[in-house]
Amino acid sequence: EIVLTQSPATLSLSPGERATLSCRASQSVTIYLAWYQQKPGQAPRLLIYDASNRATGIPARFSGSGSGTDFTLTISSLEPEDFAVYYCQQRSNWPPGTFGGGTKVEIK
Amino acid sequence: EVQLVESGGGLVKPGGSLRLSCAASGFTFSSYDMHWVRQAPGKGLEWVSSISSSSSYIYYADSVKGRFTISRDNTNNSLYLQMNSLRAEDTAVYYCAREYCSSTSCYTWWFDTWGQGTLVTVSS
Repeated sequence: EIVLTQSPATLSLSPGERATLSCRASQSVTIYLAWYQQKPGQAPRLLIYDASNRATGIPARFSGSGSGTDFTLTISSLEPEDFAVYYCQQRSNWPPGTFGGGTKVEIK
Repeated sequence: EVQLVESGGGLVKPGGSLRLSCAASGFTFSSYDMHWVRQAPGKGLEWVSSISSSSSYIYYADSVKGRFTISRDNTNNSLYLQMNSLRAEDTAVYYCAREYCSSTSCYTWWFDTWGQGTLVTVSS
């Protein structure tokens, strides 16, 4: 089973700052990686799929990059509503579609 | 409005059973692959099971294989998860989720619309 490791566990930033989140796979997942955002008490929301494609309705400040084993989610300028937990997910050897452990983006 | 509403969660003793339901509305349910994803309290996400639009393909996580059964009723726009032989480690919020479709393609393995979740607690 492919393991996804997200770092850092917590990212403390201020509104307006740039956020860079990392997701590393234990073996290549080519481009088959997605990013989700989850706010407390809410279901996750799909942000990015196939490593770099924004899902419908996702603001342009969210971008994804990477391939193989190393991936990055970048939020260019944090808005107050962006403080949340972010998960990556792979589907290279579906099933299973494993998730990473999450990165919490908190207000500094 | 596209909507998924889960129900059927609750408190059950170890070894017991529960049947979760997910009512879909606002879209053509029979055209979409569907999934169950769970989240233990304070923990991350775990994919549980998937079923194709016509029920031709069904998949389970190893952790639930042989104990859980996914099914769907396209006539009644409903998704189900029959959970037997429940264990303490099955305690979680269970979400149903729909596959993601862009303007040009559908992607079974990316989860788009999610329900609000239903809590399953397995405890004596």
